[in-house]
Amino acid sequence: DAGITQSPRHKVTETGTPVTLRCHQTENHRYMYWYRQDPGHGLRLIHYSYGVKDTDKGEVSDGYSVSRSKTEDFLLTLESATSSQTSVYFCAISESGSGRQYEQYFGPGTRLTVT
Amino acid sequence: QQQVKQSPQSLIVQKGGISIINCAYENTAFDYFPWYQQFPGKGPALLIAIRPDVSEKKEGRFTISFNKSAKQFSLHIMDSQPGDSATYFCAASKRGDYKLSFGAGTTVTVRA
Repeated sequence: DAGITQSPRHKVTETGTPVTLRCHQTENHRYMYWYRQDPGHGLRLIHYSYGVKDTDKGEVSDGYSVSRSKTEDFLLTLESATSSQTSVYFCAISESGSGRQYEQYFGPGTRLTVT
Repeated sequence: QQQVKQSPQSLIVQKGGISIINCAYENTAFDYFPWYQQFPGKGPALLIAIRPDVSEKKEGRFTISFNKSAKQFSLHIMDSQPGDSATYFCAASKRGDYKLSFGAGTTVTVRA
């Protein structure tokens, strides 16, 4: 999985609790992304980062926030988890330069269940 | 609203047969079209990609066909093998914008 780890790999939490998912990369790639995967929807971009402390919203960002204080770590936070946020969350990375930023490499995923 | 529409949702093919997955888009600003393969419990992995300056790209048993005028592209898996059983996603990205828009996915089952 291209030097990408995600933690935790599985989590069950209750509605209304905060949750933070971590993505860690050892590739020193500039770009990092958070997606959620749901049946019938493919992968949908939540937030992305184009550098340390540089982040922006994706197509399904409501209810999520992110932070990137180091190149290697990208955190996704659900401020107050809801059942609609039950999903599988994937982190991805891509490097910069010569069109390589288009080639995204994915982590193993985190399965989150909100009860 | 999904910017890339993928079909079929699932397909079953016999070993040695050809699997064909189709994708269509509307946004003419898209200029990079990758395909990802995902096995159960794993993250998607980049399989093959094409840019609109070519009509076809082949890597081993996997071929992308691209029709710019119809705004469609497809993945052909030749001589399908049981190990090809997976979910396949098409995607698209605009020039200068590295974010990907994904199709809904196609689950391919290859029967031995």
